[in-house]
Amino acid sequence: GDSVTQMEGPVTLSEEAFLTINCTYTATGYPSLFWYVQYPGEGLQLLLKATKADDKGSNKGFEATYRKETTSFHLEKGSVQVSDSAVYFCALSEFGSARQLTFGSGTQLTVLP
Amino acid sequence: EAGVTQFPSHSVIEKGQTVTLRCDPISGHDNLYWYRRVMGKEIKFLLHFVKESKQDESGMPNNRFLAERTGGTYSTLKVQPAELEDSGVYFCASSQDWAQGKAFFGQGTRLTVV
Repeated sequence: GDSVTQMEGPVTLSEEAFLTINCTYTATGYPSLFWYVQYPGEGLQLLLKATKADDKGSNKGFEATYRKETTSFHLEKGSVQVSDSAVYFCALSEFGSARQLTFGSGTQLTVLP
Repeated sequence: EAGVTQFPSHSVIEKGQTVTLRCDPISGHDNLYWYRRVMGKEIKFLLHFVKESKQDESGMPNNRFLAERTGGTYSTLKVQPAELEDSGVYFCASSQDWAQGKAFFGQGTRLTVV
């Protein structure tokens, strides 16, 4: 079945540091890939997505590129801020599937001033 | 516009008791989903409603869990009787068009069974 493997946390960085959170996936079809973020006390929010190979999703300075050859969708940001502290979830959804989102285990990011 | 609302935000119950979680989706969203995250593990899909019909309930763990969406508006998820392993955070999400992949999530209900 489908699965998503995320880099284990927690991750602690200083403000303005470079961020990478690794995500790899296993899927039988051609999934869409997502990054969701959960800020403290809030629900999950869609951060960015990519629907086909070589697509790059981007939002709020975060980027992730759909790499079919390595089955990866790593999240990157060039300069993190304290306000980026949150839990980040990588997820996939099989095109046309009614089974909806398959999530990774989440990575807690803490950014220190 | 109001987002997805879940009640209660926290619930602590004893093993064997019954708990009912409620989810109010964004108005006009036909698609409603339940997910849960147990013990800091992956968020797992439970089921999907399209209006009042269960489109996919393949993620429901066992028959102690019952989800309803009468009238195609809010949904409830009842756990009866609750077991220790049911503890976790239960998320509800809704979307207007699933093909776009954008689901709006609620804050979740943290359920603790003692």
